[in-house]
Amino acid sequence: KAGVTQTPRYLIKTRGQQVTLSCSPISGHRSVSWYQQTPGQGLQFLFEYFSETQRNKGNFPGRFSGRQFSNSRSEMNVSTLELGDSALYLCASSLGQGALNEQFFGPGTRLTVL
Amino acid sequence: GESVGLHLPTLSVQEGDNSIINCAYSNSASDYFIWYKQESGKGPQFIIDIRSNMDKRQGQRVTVLLNKTVKHLSLQIAATQPGDSAVYFCAEKWGYSTLTFGKGTMLLVSP
Repeated sequence: KAGVTQTPRYLIKTRGQQVTLSCSPISGHRSVSWYQQTPGQGLQFLFEYFSETQRNKGNFPGRFSGRQFSNSRSEMNVSTLELGDSALYLCASSLGQGALNEQFFGPGTRLTVL
Repeated sequence: GESVGLHLPTLSVQEGDNSIINCAYSNSASDYFIWYKQESGKGPQFIIDIRSNMDKRQGQRVTVLLNKTVKHLSLQIAATQPGDSAVYFCAEKWGYSTLTFGKGTMLLVSP
């Protein structure tokens, strides 16, 4: 059974640009959560999608958005990039919604903003 | 690989030793806790979980201890192996909240 895949693995952008990251969950998983990981702040929750609807949202500005498609694949978008957005963005999938469902993480997308 | 270990506390042990990684959690109302392992270049991987109505849970070579009085969680790894070298995170949840992660501890195992 294939794991969670994220594309691209590495990305370099400049300030002011926007970026779209993609996540394909494990087959059969309907929930996708996104996290930002930085050395200073650690892992921080961005949002969770289940059945194409955002179910939970973390404390991030509106520049961070996401969506989920009918096949459970998810994308997140960051607009007007700032230097502080440089991070590892992790996607995790689970069978059901909520933190009690075991989450399986992808390898992440390393975003560098110059 | 991805470097998530900068600025993290580090525990260095010899192969075969037992390792104890500690975590102070933030919310006394937290009712569910998870330990994750993250190897370089990979996403976090579930190790073991524990609910707040328990104070100890054992898995294969790992034990999690929960002390609610002082809001402390620990992960014990028996007979540590070089393959255990990674960053370890605790995470907590309360009610319907999402998971909140600790900053992590880097474990380095020398052969």
